[in-house]
Amino acid sequence: DVKVTQSSRYLVKRTGEKVFLECVQDMDHENMFWYRQDPGLGLRLIYFSYDVKMKEKGDIPEGYSVSREKKERFSLILESASTNQTSMYLCASSLLTRTDHYNEQFFGPGTRLTVL
Amino acid sequence: QKEVEQDPGPLSVPEGAIVSLNCTYSNSAFQYFMWYRQYSRKGPELLMYTYSSGNKEDGRFTAQVDKSSKYISLFIRDSQPSDSATYLCAIKSNYQLIWGAGTKLIIKP
Repeated sequence: DVKVTQSSRYLVKRTGEKVFLECVQDMDHENMFWYRQDPGLGLRLIYFSYDVKMKEKGDIPEGYSVSREKKERFSLILESASTNQTSMYLCASSLLTRTDHYNEQFFGPGTRLTVL
Repeated sequence: QKEVEQDPGPLSVPEGAIVSLNCTYSNSAFQYFMWYRQYSRKGPELLMYTYSSGNKEDGRFTAQVDKSSKYISLFIRDSQPSDSATYLCAIKSNYQLIWGAGTKLIIKP
């Protein structure tokens, strides 16, 4: 059974703290993604990685950074958490993108982050 | 204008009803169209995908794409309380997916 796991289901942090969210997949997928999900806005891509040590900015990278040192692990870092980063954070993985394929993304259960 | 528009609902219907969920999109070059289902406190899971125009059926679920109108639909027949979830449309654009806002569906017993 394919699996994407996220380090925490719920996190509460204070403004200005450095926050680490970790994601691990066991499917040997090349691609990994970090999204945030807010009511009425759907999923917005923060960062994407297609290989170890490679990263691409998504639609809303400001205030975030990422790290991919191993193929199975993709970390999202909030350098200095702010209240507007309170959200649901979802990690996903997929096989390497092919133009002739729909490239299903597999998601973790999400981390609900609250910044006070 | 957003690239993909979806009414966030909620949409509440009685058990057994036919449900119609919809999205509109702006770029006529899109080819792969997907529906993901997300239960409460879980990540989204792929429900169905369609390539180009036409219909695709899987049990009680039918996905439909009308490229001339840039309109995609998901129909659920004989809806069950277990179908209560948020349904997100997603369209493949290069290496990433463009997501609708998600429609929260509630099936009342």
